[in-house]
Amino acid sequence: DAGVIQSPRHEVTEMGQEVTLRCKPISGHDYLFWYRQTMMRGLELLIYFNNNVPIDDSGMPEDRFSAKMPNASFSTLKIQPSEPRDSAVYFCASSFRGTSQETQYFGPGTRLLVL
Amino acid sequence: QKEVEQDPGPLSVPEGAIVSLNCTYSNSAFQYFMWYRQYSRKGPELLMYTYSSGNKEDGRFTAQVDKSSKYISLFIRDSQPSDSATYLCAMSGGSNYKLTFGKGTLLTVNP
Repeated sequence: DAGVIQSPRHEVTEMGQEVTLRCKPISGHDYLFWYRQTMMRGLELLIYFNNNVPIDDSGMPEDRFSAKMPNASFSTLKIQPSEPRDSAVYFCASSFRGTSQETQYFGPGTRLLVL
Repeated sequence: QKEVEQDPGPLSVPEGAIVSLNCTYSNSAFQYFMWYRQYSRKGPELLMYTYSSGNKEDGRFTAQVDKSSKYISLFIRDSQPSDSATYLCAMSGGSNYKLTFGKGTLLTVNP
């Protein structure tokens, strides 16, 4: 299995621009999570989906952030408009509600820099 | 008070040393406890998982949970340079799939 796939791996943009991050979870996994990691705040959960339905978006910082999961194999996290404080590494993770329900498999992350 | 506290280090040890990494937590609802390892510029990967108080061993790694003290530890025996990474504790409660992470401890094992 290829694991969780994220794109792009790096993104540099200017303040005010729209940013779209993409994630392909592991096939067969029914949970998908979006995290943000910074030195100051560590790894924070932004939102998670179960069977393509958003379950908890309480970690989404502002209305500028939105996430969708149109099908079981694809999810996007969009920031519009982007701000310098959004600069971070964004991780997507997926898991399967089986015997190891808490095991989340992380992608390689997208490093976002907003100038 | 943050829900999960973890000393960020950095921690530097010689090869072969025993390493102890720790987290404390305040939420009594946490029932599942994990340790993730994150190499530089990579995503975290699950290292150990436990849901009960006591010790769980896997090779050179031992995870310890003390629910009465709200304290968890990860011990690494015979540490190797390849163990150099950031170690994050994580925990969740009940049927909730949300993980709350510590900030991570940066470990360097020197050859």
